[in-house]
Amino acid sequence: KAGVTQTPRYLIKTRGQQVTLSCSPISGHRSVSWYQQTPGQGLQFLFEYFSETQRNKGNFPGRFSGRQFSNSRSEMNVSTLELGDSALYLCASSLNGGRGTDTQYFGPGTRLTVL
Amino acid sequence: ILNVEQSPQSLHVQEGDSTNFTCSFPSSNFYALHWYRWETAKSPEALFVMTLNGDEKKKGRISATLNTKEGYSYLYIKGSQPEDSATYLCAFTGNQFYFGTGTSLTVIP
Repeated sequence: KAGVTQTPRYLIKTRGQQVTLSCSPISGHRSVSWYQQTPGQGLQFLFEYFSETQRNKGNFPGRFSGRQFSNSRSEMNVSTLELGDSALYLCASSLNGGRGTDTQYFGPGTRLTVL
Repeated sequence: ILNVEQSPQSLHVQEGDSTNFTCSFPSSNFYALHWYRWETAKSPEALFVMTLNGDEKKKGRISATLNTKEGYSYLYIKGSQPEDSATYLCAFTGNQFYFGTGTSLTVIP
C-alpha cells in the first residue's frame, strides 16, 4: 500500500508570493491534516479536512487555507508569504480523522524556504 | 491553548543503556495518547496509541505506560541501539492532535 505523498519536497519562494502544497493520502483514508514545524516548535496543527470539508482549524492566520478533493487529495495554500512561514509542512492521513485512537500516517513533508 | 510537554528536550546515551522520557498532558477531556518516532530525513512513524489509564504497550525494546489521572506517559527504551536515535514525539488527542516538542535521543556507539 502506497504511503502518504507530498509534492513538491522542496520549495523556495520570496516574500509576498503565494504557494500551493499538495498531499495524497493513503488509499481509503478520508481525513487529511496539515502541520507546520519550525525549529524549536512542535508540530503545529493547521487544519483537518474530512470528506472535502474542513472539520477543524488551528490558530493560524487566514493566509493559510486548504481544500480537499473528492479523491481525498488535499492542497494547502499560503498567500502573501512572510519570512516566518519558512518551515517544514507535513500532512498526515487517517481513516476517519485525527482524533481519538485513529493513527495518523505522515508524509515526508515539504520544506518551504521564504527569502 | 493546550500544552503537551516532553522532557528532557534532548538526551545522549551510550549504546546498551536503558533510557526513558516523559510526556505530560492535560488530564481532562482525554481521548488518547500517541507516541511517534521521527528519524532524520524520514516521516514520523507511529509507535503506540494508548487510551486507558494504566495502559502499557510494548514493541520490541520500546515500551510505554499511561497515567491519565495525573496526565503523563513514559516511554522506555531498553538496551538502546544507534538505530534508536530519533526524535520521539507524543501527541494528546481531543478533537485534534496536540503534539509535544519531542525528545531528541542520540545513542552513541
